[in-house]
Amino acid sequence: GQNIDQPTEMTATEGAIVQINCTYQTSGFNGLFWYQQHAGEAPTFLSYNVLDGLEEKGRFSSFLSRSKGYSYLLLKELQMKDSASYLCAVMDSNYQLIWGAGTKLIIKP
Amino acid sequence: GAVVSQHPSRVICKSGTSVKIECRSLDFQATTMFWYRQFPKQSLMLMATSNEGSKATYEQGVEKDKFLINHASLTLSTLTVTSAHPEDSSFYICSARDRDYGYTFGSGTRLTVV
Repeated sequence: GQNIDQPTEMTATEGAIVQINCTYQTSGFNGLFWYQQHAGEAPTFLSYNVLDGLEEKGRFSSFLSRSKGYSYLLLKELQMKDSASYLCAVMDSNYQLIWGAGTKLIIKP
Repeated sequence: GAVVSQHPSRVICKSGTSVKIECRSLDFQATTMFWYRQFPKQSLMLMATSNEGSKATYEQGVEKDKFLINHASLTLSTLTVTSAHPEDSSFYICSARDRDYGYTFGSGTRLTVV
């Protein structure tokens, strides 16, 4: 079966760095997405990785290792507004998105 | 960037009535629209995939006669929850695949059935 695993919840301190991991097992791979979702709102796009390596975009970076079925989202200089759920999703061989359950990130002052 | 407009954002309806949710792609043609449901503290659950001009493909366990999907044009897809019941109360979100294989989400509809 297809499976996306990510931690349920993480806590970090304002100004610090946090890494949210995602491991996947899917039928085929056509890229991995990270989305941010605040409570009661729709997800917003953060990043897309299809090749191995690190993609940096401001305070957020995303890493992919296809051989390990592994990705992480790195958030630097954490701000209170970064408190949200972070969803990992993999596009399978049929170009359908398989979603993880999301990681709730709690930022403390 | 690509924008998907979803309406209404919030609706309260009586049990047994029907509710229609609309999603429009504003600056691109959405040949494929995905409809998701999300219960509190859970991830998105794909309900169905609709392609313009053809019948929607429903995920296992989703009643196609209860959740009617119409994708009559390249910019509009609708989801109608028929004979709604309290257990249908949820957050419904549409998503369209844009030009660059990205997925753009509508703002979501909070449905409460009383």
